[in-house]
Amino acid sequence: GENVEQHPSTLSVQEGDSAVIKCTYSDSASNYFPWYKQELGKRPQLIIDIRSNVGEKKDQRIAVTLNKTAKHFSLHITETQPEDSAVYFCAGSGNTGKLIFGQGTTLQVKP
Amino acid sequence: ETGVTQSPTHLIKTRGQQVTLRCSSQSGHNTVSWYQQALGQGPQFIFQYYREEENGRGNFPPRFSGLQFPNYSSELNVNALELDDSALYLCASSSMDSSYEQYFGPGTRLTVT
Repeated sequence: GENVEQHPSTLSVQEGDSAVIKCTYSDSASNYFPWYKQELGKRPQLIIDIRSNVGEKKDQRIAVTLNKTAKHFSLHITETQPEDSAVYFCAGSGNTGKLIFGQGTTLQVKP
Repeated sequence: ETGVTQSPTHLIKTRGQQVTLRCSSQSGHNTVSWYQQALGQGPQFIFQYYREEENGRGNFPPRFSGLQFPNYSSELNVNALELDDSALYLCASSSMDSSYEQYFGPGTRLTVT
């Protein structure tokens, strides 16, 4: 069935370092891959997304890359700041709009 | 913050009872998706409503049902509550006609005792 695997489950970095979170998906029909940031007790917030016709997308300090052949995509955060600390979820969907989420990565940025 | 709202914020119910959760979509959006998020897990897709019709369903039993109204707001109903239904219920608003982005509401925390 449809599945999205996310790694690592926890990630601790020093402020200013880069953080990378990786996801793999199983459904070849998936063509949309958003990333959400969820702070404790708050709603998931869409931070960046990528469609299958694009290999890379960047928005200031965050970027996402997609390898359709290998069925994996990654989130890159550069120059991390303490306010980047949160749980990050990757997700995939096809044309149905049904989002399949990964298990989440808890990112801790140490000042 | 998104324009998506949910009510109530918190709810405590007893096993076997029924519950109705509500979601108001963002202006200009015609699609509402519902997700269940257990503690420490990613959201799991329950179902989606597009222009008042169910448009896809996840692996949830029939006691989970929904509605979408002409103004595109939506309800999630759960009958015969079980302890495992305790979770954060999130709705996400989108416009299937124009883009894939889904924007989440703040969620309803349901506790079943």
